[in-house]
Parts: sequence; C-alpha cells; structure tokens
Amino acid sequence: EAQVTQNPRYLITVTGKKLTVTCSQNMNHEYMSWYRQDPGLGLRQIYYSMNVEVTDKGDVPEGYKVSRKEKRNFPLILESPSPNQTSLYFCASSPRTSGRESSYNEQFFGPGTRLTVL
Amino acid sequence: EDKVVQSPLSLVVHEGDTVTLNCSYEVTNFRSLLWYKQEKKAPTFLFMLTSSGIEKKSGRLSSILDKKELFSILNITATQTGDSAIYLCAVDDYYGGSQGNLIFGKGTKLSVKP
Repeated sequence: EAQVTQNPRYLITVTGKKLTVTCSQNMNHEYMSWYRQDPGLGLRQIYYSMNVEVTDKGDVPEGYKVSRKEKRNFPLILESPSPNQTSLYFCASSPRTSGRESSYNEQFFGPGTRLTVL
Repeated sequence: EDKVVQSPLSLVVHEGDTVTLNCSYEVTNFRSLLWYKQEKKAPTFLFMLTSSGIEKKSGRLSSILDKKELFSILNITATQTGDSAIYLCAVDDYYGGSQGNLIFGKGTKLSVKP
C-alpha cells in the first residue's frame, strides 16, 4: 500500500531532550516536506527536500534540522526542544519534478505526530 | 503578512445546503493552487488548479480559479454531515530553478448539521 509513515504518532518530552521524528514513504517520491499545524495558524512548512541530499528551509525552520540521506526517509530532528514546539507535525511527499512548468501535484500526508514539550 | 487567505474561517450549515469557500492569494510566482480536506487526521487532496476559468469537479465538489483576481472558490452542493471538515487551500509559490514553497491558508472549518 502506498503510504507515508511517521513515528512516533504521539510523544511527550521535556525541554532540551533531543528527539527525532521519522518519516518514510514507499512511493519513490522525490519531494518530501515537514509541516507543523497549530490552532489559528494553519499548516506551516518547516523544511522540504527536492531529492536526496537536497534540503531547504520553509517558513518556520528555527529549532529544527532535517536530513535526506535516502530517498525514502526524511527525519525531523529537534536538537533542544522547547515548549513552543508543541504542535501537530505532518510529513508529506510528492512526485514533484523540477522545472518551471512542474507543480506539486498531489502531496501525500503522513498520519501526523502530536508532540508535547513540557 | 498572510499570503493565502481563506474565508470564512468557520461555517455552520444544514444538510442539503450549498456552500462556497473562498481562497485569495498573493504570491510572487504562482504555479498552482491546491485544495485539501482535513478531517480528524491528515489532509487529503481534493483538487489542483493551474488555469483560470476551468472548473474541476468531483461529485458534489467543484472548484475554479481566477488568476486575474487571484482567488479560487470551492463549492459543495447538497452538503452531508460527512462533509464536515477543515478545508485547506495552498498555493505553490515558485521562485526559480527547482525551488518553491507550498503556502497554506489557515483553513475553513465547515460543520454540517443533520
């Protein structure tokens, strides 16, 4: 089954304790992205990756890191989490190709990770 | 400032009503506009619009884009309780090479009462 998986689905942690949220897709998509969703603010892009070893900042990258060593995986790393990073996080992938005429096409979203930082 | 603005932010209707959701945008290099439906889980794709005036339709849902006035509408006819969800609009803002950003609006929360 074509899907995007995220782990963990729920996480409660404390300030400063490094954590990683994994994201994996089995559709051979080039493009992957991380979003956070907060009440009243909607979905905001954290980082995205056009392909292996190619990553770029989205709208709210502060406090986050990502890596794209393999096409299927795009982990989100919080080196020193803080309470303002409490949020619902979504990973997404798309078969987007590069070029002026291309587009996002359909993005497939993972099930979400609800993170609470105390 | 907000680049993608959705209205209304919330809406309550009764089954059978027709609703129109709005999305206006202001981005540097528009490439496409996408609509998603989000129930109590991840967003699911509805439509992608790239050309003005061409209606996309799927069952009771339809959408159209106006690139001159920079907005899109999502129509839902004969609403059902299963249409209750947050509807998200997103715009692909292309800025050269292979780079771009997908900018989401805050969403419209639709509640359909029986």
